[in-house]
Amino acid sequence: SAVISQKPSRDICQRGTSLTIQCQVDSQVTMMFWYRQQPGQSLTLIATANQGSEATYESGFVIDKFPISRPNLTFSTLTVSNMSPEDSSIYLCSVEERAYEQYFGPGTRLTVT
Amino acid sequence: SQQGEEDPQALSIQEGENATMNCSYKTSINNLQWYRQNSGRGLVHLILIRSNEREKHSGRLRVTLDTSKKSSSLLITASRAADTASYFCATDWGSARQLTFGSGTQLTVLP
Repeated sequence: SAVISQKPSRDICQRGTSLTIQCQVDSQVTMMFWYRQQPGQSLTLIATANQGSEATYESGFVIDKFPISRPNLTFSTLTVSNMSPEDSSIYLCSVEERAYEQYFGPGTRLTVT
Repeated sequence: SQQGEEDPQALSIQEGENATMNCSYKTSINNLQWYRQNSGRGLVHLILIRSNEREKHSGRLRVTLDTSKKSSSLLITASRAADTASYFCATDWGSARQLTFGSGTQLTVLP
């Protein structure tokens, strides 16, 4: 399966600041997604990162708060803007390889103080 | 709300025993996938079962799917301490490619 990396692996940030998370895949993929996992919870889809166009956001997530870029078929970024302690979560990117099979990056653990 | 609910929420067994986790979902699906997550790290893909399949095996893993009951089970045979992790089911449906995750089962295998 594709090798997926994320940077940073973890960070501690102050409230009101922004953090950009990078997701890099070692092969070209069409479908790429961003998920959030709040402490002790399951995963929730934030958005689908579309190459060359705006991301498609799920209910409850907005572009101003979570801007996403997808400049090519191997790379995407998610920015968490104007952070508050409620944004403390693990953020994971995933890619679809074989039909409907999704594979996940190692995640970025964010703590907002 | 999340598509899937898993039970039990937590399961503790001895090494060598079998572990069974169940997942229920609400709408018709295309596929159901199982993932493992160790200590808040990334998810490891275990197995995908399609809606027209009833059972699938991969090593010590056995997955069943009952679309009439909208449920799936994951059986891990001869468990090992290294199987200690959280296990999640995830479904996709309709034309959407995104996954909806269950609430997860925390499995602890005692040596």
